[in-house]
Amino acid sequence: DAGVIQSPRHEVTEMGQEVTLRCKPISGHDYLFWYRQTMMRGLELLIYFNNNVPIDDSGMPEDRFSAKMPNASFSTLKIQPSEPRDSAVYFCASSPHGREPNEQFFGPGTRLTVL
Amino acid sequence: GEDVEQSLFLSVREGDSSVINCTYTDSSSTYLYWYKQEPGAGLQLLTYIFSNMDMKQDQRLTVLLNKKDKHLSLRIADTQTGDSAIYFCAESTGGYNKLIFGAGTRLAVHP
Repeated sequence: DAGVIQSPRHEVTEMGQEVTLRCKPISGHDYLFWYRQTMMRGLELLIYFNNNVPIDDSGMPEDRFSAKMPNASFSTLKIQPSEPRDSAVYFCASSPHGREPNEQFFGPGTRLTVL
Repeated sequence: GEDVEQSLFLSVREGDSSVINCTYTDSSSTYLYWYKQEPGAGLQLLTYIFSNMDMKQDQRLTVLLNKKDKHLSLRIADTQTGDSAIYFCAESTGGYNKLIFGAGTRLAVHP
């Protein structure tokens, strides 16, 4: 298996633009997670899905952020409009089931820079 | 509230042992985890320990858990340059699907 795939790997955009990050989880995994990593705040869970349904979005910072999972093999995280403080590395992760131990498989991340 | 704390930086000489410490708050966590992040990559599960255990050993890795003090440590024996990375402690909480990560400890291994 190719692992969790994220695109793009790097994104540079200007303030106010819409940004869409993409994720393909590992086939057969029931759970998908979106995280944000910054120096100041560390690794934060934004939202997670179970069988394509959002379960917990309490980490989504504000209404400018939205996430969708239209099918089991694809998810997007959208920021509209983007702001410089959104600059971070965004990780997608998937896990095969909801039982512990809970191994999450991380993608390589998307480094977002908002100018 | 939920919080996982780690020291941010550790520097060791190649061949020495490294000890990375972590404190957590959720006493109901069933498992506690160590993840490793290499430069430019995502996190990767390194090891985990069941909360009813005090110690787990896996080759060069030893995990110690003091449940009374909510203290977790990761010891790496014979540390190598390839061990240079950021190590994250994590607890499962609010439903075991949700992991709360510490800020990560950056391990630097020098000759």
